[in-house]
Amino acid sequence: GENVEQHPSTLSVQEGDSAVIKCTYSDSASNYFPWYKQELGKRPQLIIDIRSNVGEKKDQRIAVTLNKTAKHFSLHITETQPEDSAVYFCAASIGYKLSFGAGTTVTVRA
Amino acid sequence: EAGVAQSPRYKIIEKRQSVAFWCNPISGHATLYWYQQILGQGPKLLIQFQNNGVVDDSQLPKDRFSAERLKGVDSTLKIQPAKLEDSAVYLCASTPFGAHSYEQYFGPGTRLTVT
Repeated sequence: GENVEQHPSTLSVQEGDSAVIKCTYSDSASNYFPWYKQELGKRPQLIIDIRSNVGEKKDQRIAVTLNKTAKHFSLHITETQPEDSAVYFCAASIGYKLSFGAGTTVTVRA
Repeated sequence: EAGVAQSPRYKIIEKRQSVAFWCNPISGHATLYWYQQILGQGPKLLIQFQNNGVVDDSQLPKDRFSAERLKGVDSTLKIQPAKLEDSAVYLCASTPFGAHSYEQYFGPGTRLTVT
């Protein structure tokens, strides 16, 4: 099955700086790559996603890049704010079956 | 629209006891998933339903876990008997089948503690 690795496991950034989280996947057939944000005690919520036919996607301060050849994708958060503090999960899927990474705990320091 | 509903939100049981969780997906969502999220890890898919049929249960420990989705709407996940390592948050999610988006909508989860 699909195996997704996520790095780093924890990330501390100064408010206003950028944060980058990287993921690799094993199955070249994966065609959908979402990123979920999970605040403490709450449900995971989709923040951005990308399909295999797109190399980059941006939504305000958040962007995702995909390198199909290398089988890795990254989340970029610019101008970080305290409310960006959360656990972020990447995932890869073939169709509807998602395999998640282990998560990155992001802490934004004021 | 109303989100995915789950109950109970919290459950504490002793090992070897039984427990059941309930999920009500978003209205009209044909695909329903149960995930297990152990503390510090990402969600792991246990079972996927398409309407009332099982699409994938390859990671469901069938000797103790069972799930059903009668009538293709609500679903229940049961553990019998529970083990200490079953302590986790059990998340339910749903997706509208055939939609142009694969986005999965998650419920608030049920936090299970097995003592």
